[in-house]
Amino acid sequence: EPEVTQTPSHQVTQMGQEVILRCVPISNHLYFYWYRQILGQKVEFLVSFYNNEISEKSEIFDDQFSVERPDGSNFTLKIRSTKLEDSAMYFCASSSGGQETQYFGPGTRLLVL
Amino acid sequence: AQKVTQAQTEISVVEKEDVTLDCVYETRDTTYYLFWYKQPPSGELVFLIRRNSFDEQNEISGRYSWNFQKSTSSFNFTITASQVVDSAVYFCALRRNSGNTPLVFGKGTRLSVIA
Repeated sequence: EPEVTQTPSHQVTQMGQEVILRCVPISNHLYFYWYRQILGQKVEFLVSFYNNEISEKSEIFDDQFSVERPDGSNFTLKIRSTKLEDSAMYFCASSSGGQETQYFGPGTRLLVL
Repeated sequence: AQKVTQAQTEISVVEKEDVTLDCVYETRDTTYYLFWYKQPPSGELVFLIRRNSFDEQNEISGRYSWNFQKSTSSFNFTITASQVVDSAVYFCALRRNSGNTPLVFGKGTRLSVIA
């Protein structure tokens, strides 16, 4: 069964460093999303992406964040200058249509020291 | 604005007991989707069910069943004859039925099934 994959599974970084989180969505999906979950809290929407542009973004997704689909398979989330409060689990999701079910990857656990 | 409330933070049951996880939502939209996701200790989010607001029929899938009541804005999830493998955090989520819209999650209910 096709699934969303994410790399790395864990990343530790120093405050102020740039990180890139990678996702490979399900191959025939066209809509992509990033969510995050601070430890013990609910899952929060960051950004949605379709047709090579951002469809919607939340207040969390400020200028420090960017997304990109550099090729036909990868979907990346970049945090330019990480802060302690960026420590969270980051989930990528994809769907075949804008109103279809979003399937989530296993997540990348980011720890900012 | 949309909001999902899962009032039960943690529930513990003994194996083979039935358990119901509550979900209450708020939305001004007339059409929307409701979801349940499971997050086992390994951390991934596993899709369980999607329900369109047009369809108030209850659904059963094996030991899982869902009760959608639009009149009370609730979408409750029942696990029958719970098993240890059901131990996880369960999230209810809501999404508008228009375009490419994000999921709004509740805070989740942590279910512990004790052998």
